[in-house]
Amino acid sequence: SQTIHQWPATLVQPVGSPLSLECTVEGTSNPNLYWYRQAAGRGLQLLFYSVGIGQISSEVPQNLSASRPQDRQFILSSKKLLLSDSGFYLCAWGLGTDTQYFGPGTRLTVL
Amino acid sequence: GNSVTQMEGPVTLSEEAFLTINCTYTATGYPSLFWYVQYPGEGLQLLLKATKADDKGSNKGFEATYRKETTSFHLEKGSVQVSDSAVYFCALSESSGSARQLTFGSGTQLTVLP
Repeated sequence: SQTIHQWPATLVQPVGSPLSLECTVEGTSNPNLYWYRQAAGRGLQLLFYSVGIGQISSEVPQNLSASRPQDRQFILSSKKLLLSDSGFYLCAWGLGTDTQYFGPGTRLTVL
Repeated sequence: GNSVTQMEGPVTLSEEAFLTINCTYTATGYPSLFWYVQYPGEGLQLLLKATKADDKGSNKGFEATYRKETTSFHLEKGSVQVSDSAVYFCALSESSGSARQLTFGSGTQLTVLP
């Protein structure tokens, strides 16, 4: 069966520091991968998606970036965090059908 | 563009009450529709889905019917339990190149009291 992992689970970072969040999927090959952000009390915003290694599509211009160095690994990064980057970051995978399956999320607090 | 509108929350019910969470959508094509549930501090779990008009998705006592004529996908449960307390998200899918993208509603917080 397929599983999706995210780490770290929680992170507290100062403004201006770098960021790296990791997502890995097990039990499937060539998945579509997605990064979402959920701000407090709000819905989900799609940040990036990827249909293959090295292929990244950005949905929202911002100071975040994403990379897919391996088939089942998806990384969200920033060179300098802003206060507004605080939120709950969710990774998801899908196989070209409609359904997406979500990881447990990373709670990021920028102080 | 596509959009999803959910009823405003929070919703508070007593155990064994009937639940309805309204969801309407706007789409240019024929999307698939979903309900996801998020328990506190966790990621989203797929609750149910429907892929075409008049389909009924069901799971764990929850049901929703894809109504094309009213562009709706309302979530219902006949008798809620305390363990159903969570945030519920309605979503639709659209194709973008070779990837499927989900458009989410803003979520509805449900609290069930014993």
